[in-house]
Amino acid sequence: AQSVTQLDSQVPVFEEAPVELRCNYSSSVSVYLFWYVQYPNQGLQLLLKYLSGSTLVKGINGFEAEFNKSQTSFHLRKPSVHISDTAEYFCAVSETGGGNKLTFGTGTQLKVEL
Amino acid sequence: DVKVTQSSRYLVKRTGEKVFLECVQDMDHENMFWYRQDPGLGLRLIYFSYDVKMKEKGDIPEGYSVSREKKERFSLILESASTNQTSMYLCASSFDQQGGNEQYFGPGTRLTVT
Repeated sequence: AQSVTQLDSQVPVFEEAPVELRCNYSSSVSVYLFWYVQYPNQGLQLLLKYLSGSTLVKGINGFEAEFNKSQTSFHLRKPSVHISDTAEYFCAVSETGGGNKLTFGTGTQLKVEL
Repeated sequence: DVKVTQSSRYLVKRTGEKVFLECVQDMDHENMFWYRQDPGLGLRLIYFSYDVKMKEKGDIPEGYSVSREKKERFSLILESASTNQTSMYLCASSFDQQGGNEQYFGPGTRLTVT
């Protein structure tokens, strides 16, 4: 069975500063990796995903993530955040060949301050 | 655009009541999922369905059941609501069983059981 760890429950950052949200996973088989964002009072929407190929994945709203197989990590980064990036971010994993089931991390609340 | 709708945004029920949460998707997706979201716990899978009349247990199915009579509709049923089922419930759908497909989420139903 797979698991996802997001060690930072909250990350405060000033506007225009860079940010990194950490995600580590555990699985005995190959995985697909996802980052979802949840804005206040909304459902989740996909930011980006890694299926195969280039380990650097670019997503919407200027976010990117890098898959590191040796460190079993998939950290999310943005070089300059905006106040509108304030939201909760979830890392998720699914096993290749395991249907479409996702296992989510506990989420990281990103709070962008002026 | 894919649209996943949930019957209520907010719901208040009494302990012992039977509760129905409805979810409808308009993109002919084969897979549908029900999650509950609690602070500090992230999203946890309750039940999912790969096809009409098919259902599989997720990680926390106790106290819940589901129904999928039509491809576009997936219902979550709380047979006898309890206070520990107070939570945000999120429905999602995805295209097929191939791993790596994005899940599309509804806006959520915040259920309070008193």
